Amino acid sequence: SSELTQDPAVSVALGQTVRITCQGDSLRNYYVSWYQQKPGQAPVLVIYGKDNRHSGIPDRFSGSRSGDTASLTITGAQAEDEADYYCSSRDSSAHYVLFGGGTRLTVL
Amino acid sequence: EVQLVESGGGLVQPGGSLRLSCTASGFTFDDYAMHWVRQAPGKGLEWVSGISYNSDYVTSVDFVKGRFTISRDNAKNSLYLHMNSLRTEDTALYFCAKDIVIASRPSNIFDLWGQGTMVTVSS
Repeated sequence: SSELTQDPAVSVALGQTVRITCQGDSLRNYYVSWYQQKPGQAPVLVIYGKDNRHSGIPDRFSGSRSGDTASLTITGAQAEDEADYYCSSRDSSAHYVLFGGGTRLTVL
Repeated sequence: EVQLVESGGGLVQPGGSLRLSCTASGFTFDDYAMHWVRQAPGKGLEWVSGISYNSDYVTSVDFVKGRFTISRDNAKNSLYLHMNSLRTEDTALYFCAKDIVIASRPSNIFDLWGQGTMVTVSS
């Protein structure tokens, strides 16, 4: 498969923990990167590799992978975390880059 | 300041051409692979094309092959996307993005993004 599948929308109560998932065959062989995009803004790299937070990203963000599914976990979600989140990986051939369809996170 | 600034977008008729530019500053441009990623209005991100730090490796999504060409001029700290035979479905905000890996082929990790330049294909 050359697709990455994300849930279109997820909600979380303020201060609670939320997991955003990304599923695809290529994730068995390649790490995922995660991007946060707020309305009218460019995406921002959040997590990459095994579980590396990009510079300036709070430690409430973490990443993991199991089989063909990668997860972005926000432990203690804040109002400012409300955004669209996209996963990205190489495709199985390693020549192309895939993006998931995105997950809109609402913090209640 | 570390930044990427895109330009060159605009309104073009179907079948027309455009050249997008991305000017980099604040980092050693010729150390990093670069990419173009687009986002249609109200839609998700879609990777378009990537080029290695020294231009010896170029890769593009299938539906732009033969129509779009990525290139770079390291002396000018600039990345380009030459777009021909434009279609209405190419309408999108086009982002320039910097790869995180030094002196390598393109990866899927983009640690710096520009604000984008809008391309509208319409008659």
